[in-house]
Amino acid sequence: GDSVTQMEGPVTLSEEAFLTINCTYTATGYPSLFWYVQYPGEGLQLLLKATKADDKGSNKGFEATYRKETTSFHLEKGSVQVSDSAVYFCALSEGGSGAGSYQLTFGKGTKLSVIP
Amino acid sequence: KAGVTQTPRYLIKTRGQQVTLSCSPISGHRSVSWYQQTPGQGLQFLFEYFSETQRNKGNFPGRFSGRQFSNSRSEMNVSTLELGDSALYLCASSLAPGMNSYGYTFGSGTRLTVV
Repeated sequence: GDSVTQMEGPVTLSEEAFLTINCTYTATGYPSLFWYVQYPGEGLQLLLKATKADDKGSNKGFEATYRKETTSFHLEKGSVQVSDSAVYFCALSEGGSGAGSYQLTFGKGTKLSVIP
Repeated sequence: KAGVTQTPRYLIKTRGQQVTLSCSPISGHRSVSWYQQTPGQGLQFLFEYFSETQRNKGNFPGRFSGRQFSNSRSEMNVSTLELGDSALYLCASSLAPGMNSYGYTFGSGTRLTVV
């Protein structure tokens, strides 16, 4: 079945440091890939997405590139801020690829703390 | 426009009771999905509904059920509550199942505590 593997957290960075959160996936079809972010006490917010190989999703300074050859979708940001402190989830969905299931399969999440 | 609305935000129930959670999707969204979030298991898919029909169900016991109404609002029900059902229950909506490449929009969740 489908699965998503994220790097273990928590990750603690100083403000303006470079961020990478690794994400790899296993899927039977050709999935769409997502990064969601969850702030304390809130639901999930879509951060960025990519629907085909070599697509780069970007939002709020975050970027991730859909790498089919390495089945990866690593999240990066050049300079993190304290306000980026949250839990980040990598997810995939096979919906639209003919596999029939549109559910999201999530990684375990990576907690990021940014200190001033 | 209004986001996904989940009610109630917090709920405390006793073992053996049943509970109903509600989700109102974004106006115009016809697909609703439910997820359970726990520290141990992470985010797990419960159900997906579209046009009042359950399209898919995750690996949960029959005590977990749901439905969708003609206005796309959805409810999920958990009967005979167990301590392990304590979790954050998240609802997500999208235009339609085939439109999920745009990403789902999640509500803030209902925090259920079973004592």
